[in-house]
Amino acid sequence: DQQVKQNSPSLSVQEGRISILNCDYTNSMFDYFLWYKKYPAEGPTFLISISSIKDKNEDGRFTVFLNKSAKHLSLHIVPSQPGDSAVYFCAASGEAAGNKLTFGGGTRVLVKP
Amino acid sequence: DAGVIQSPRHEVTEMGQEVTLRCKPISGHNSLFWYRQTMMRGLELLIYFNNNVPIDDSGMPEDRFSAKMPNASFSTLKIQPSEPRDSAVYFCASSFASHPVYNEQFFGPGTRLTVL
Repeated sequence: DQQVKQNSPSLSVQEGRISILNCDYTNSMFDYFLWYKKYPAEGPTFLISISSIKDKNEDGRFTVFLNKSAKHLSLHIVPSQPGDSAVYFCAASGEAAGNKLTFGGGTRVLVKP
Repeated sequence: DAGVIQSPRHEVTEMGQEVTLRCKPISGHNSLFWYRQTMMRGLELLIYFNNNVPIDDSGMPEDRFSAKMPNASFSTLKIQPSEPRDSAVYFCASSFASHPVYNEQFFGPGTRLTVL
């Protein structure tokens, strides 16, 4: 039972345009969400997070939006750069889960110059 | 800080052999996590420790897998005996957990395990 889903396995976008990555979750107990970025042969690195008390969090070119009623979050990268080419994982946690993160399957982003 | 350190980075072994993966978390972190990444199952949590105590090992596939954390600066994940289906990238991650604040987990570079 996948509690966190990233339905798009890959995304291709032109440099300078917006990348939009989507993530859906099923467990209403989740109240904290994170995005991780992963380059080949490296471990995932934290990118941005959002608490369920907010609906938007912005950090430079990266913005995460949370729609609790739809159990949906998205990551916007504007403008996209070739260095953003990586696999992006959505993750969720909640008080009942302690520090345990549940990850989505990942979306591979390719930014074309 | 050197970040989370994992060794070895690559391991190739034959079916039936014992495999030990090692992890040194970031100094000061009190939570440690072992993950496995495969094409089929993505990134899945195997076990995590809080203050050196195993909290949740529900993700450990079977009895062939075991994990220990003898002190705050070292953990091992052992597979005995190993099987070809154990081939995957194994990540260790650490964080400083202060309930109810959720802090990001910092991942190591991973160990790519191949069981022939």
